[in-house]
Amino acid sequence: GENVEQHPSTLSVQEGDSAVIKCTYSDSASNYFPWYKQELGKGPQLIIDIRSNVGEKKDQRIAVTLNKTAKHFSLHITETQPEDSAVYFCAPDTGRRALTFGSGTRLQVQP
Amino acid sequence: GAVVSQHPSWVICKSGTSVKIECRSLDFQATTMFWYRQFPKQSLMLMATSNEGSKATYEQGVEKDKFLINHASLTLSTLTVTSAHPEDSSFYICSATGQGGEKLFFGSGTQLSVL
Repeated sequence: GENVEQHPSTLSVQEGDSAVIKCTYSDSASNYFPWYKQELGKGPQLIIDIRSNVGEKKDQRIAVTLNKTAKHFSLHITETQPEDSAVYFCAPDTGRRALTFGSGTRLQVQP
Repeated sequence: GAVVSQHPSWVICKSGTSVKIECRSLDFQATTMFWYRQFPKQSLMLMATSNEGSKATYEQGVEKDKFLINHASLTLSTLTVTSAHPEDSSFYICSATGQGGEKLFFGSGTQLSVL
C-alpha cells in the first residue's frame, strides 16, 4: 500500500507570510495529488489538486508543485490570512479514489 | 463543486444501541462512496468503499457486521454502527465520487459519542 509522510506536523506563521507543507509518497503509480483543508468539526475540503503530467498549478494564493521523480509534492500558501488556519492533508491517489491521507499539518496563522 | 450532505452532524447514544448515518450526493450521481473515521488530532482512516447496488468492501480490521453499509441508490449511502460502544466514539466522514470522476467530495462529518 501507499506510505504517505507529511511535514511539518505543525506550522505557525505570521499573517502575510508564506507557508509550505511537503508530502512524500511511496507508490510510483500515484497519478493524482490533491490537498485538503479541514476546519475543526468539519469534513475535508479539496483546495487544490494536480495530475502527474503537470509540475505546478496555481490558484490565487495557493499552489501545488510536484516532483514525480523524487515522489513528493508540496502545498504553498502565500500571503497567509487567519482564515487559512486549519489542518491540511495530502492524499496521493493511484486511481483507487479511496485515498491514503497524510498525517496532517496543523497551520496556525498569527494575526 | 459538487455537494455531499451528511446527517446527523452529531449524535449521542447509549451503549448497545445502533446509530445510522446518512450520506447523500445532492447534485450528482455517486457511483462510489467511501466511509472514514477520524479520531481527535489524527488523520482520516478509510473504513470501507461502497459501490451502488453491490456489497461494500471493508478495509482490514474493520468489522463488517458492526459497521453496516448500504448504498442502495446513486445518491444515498448509509453507515449503521450496530451495538455501539464507547470505543466507537469518533468522527465519521463520508465522501463520494461520480462515474469517471477523480475528485472526491466530502460530507461535513458526524461526531458520534457513545455513553
